[in-house]
Amino acid sequence: GNSVTQMEGPVTLSEEAFLTINCTYTATGYPSLFWYVQYPGEGLQLLLKATKADDKGSNKGFEATYRKETTSFHLEKGSVQVSDSAVYFCALSDRMYSGGGADGLTFGKGTHLIIQP
Amino acid sequence: SAVISQKPSRDICQRGTSLTIQCQVDSQVTMMFWYRQQPGQSLTLIATANQGSEATYESGFVIDKFPISRPNLTFSTLTVSNMSPEDSSIYLCSVYAPPGQETQYFGPGTRLLVL
Repeated sequence: GNSVTQMEGPVTLSEEAFLTINCTYTATGYPSLFWYVQYPGEGLQLLLKATKADDKGSNKGFEATYRKETTSFHLEKGSVQVSDSAVYFCALSDRMYSGGGADGLTFGKGTHLIIQP
Repeated sequence: SAVISQKPSRDICQRGTSLTIQCQVDSQVTMMFWYRQQPGQSLTLIATANQGSEATYESGFVIDKFPISRPNLTFSTLTVSNMSPEDSSIYLCSVYAPPGQETQYFGPGTRLLVL
């Protein structure tokens, strides 16, 4: 079955530091990959996505590149801010797989990011 | 994207009781999904609710515990039955938007605490 593995948290960084949150996956077919973010007390929001190999998703200064050869989708940001403190979830969907994918999303366990001023 | 609302936003319930959570979407969708997020954990898919048919449950989830209704293309309910403290979680509904695509959008969640 499908699975997503992401680095455990919490990850604590100083403001303006470089951020990497690792995510690797296992899936049948060719999944679409997502990063979702959950700010304190709020719901789950889509941060960025990539639907095929070598695609780069980007939003709010965050980037992630779909690497099929390493089955990875690492999240990066060059200079984090205190407002980036949140829980980040890597997820995949193989819904569009012509061989018959599942309809729901498979999530990683989430990485709690804490940015200190 | 889609605008999704849930009611209630939070509740505190006694064990043995049941709670029905409502999910409303601002557009017509065939499939709606219900997820559970236990404290400090990731999201787990409970079931998929299609309008006009029985919900499809994931392994570990049963209809008697989590009955789902889907009366029309914009609305669904999830009931958490005979609750125990282990049911304390955030319950979220989601949809694909636009329908047929691969991106899911989530409601704000219902925070449930069972005493």
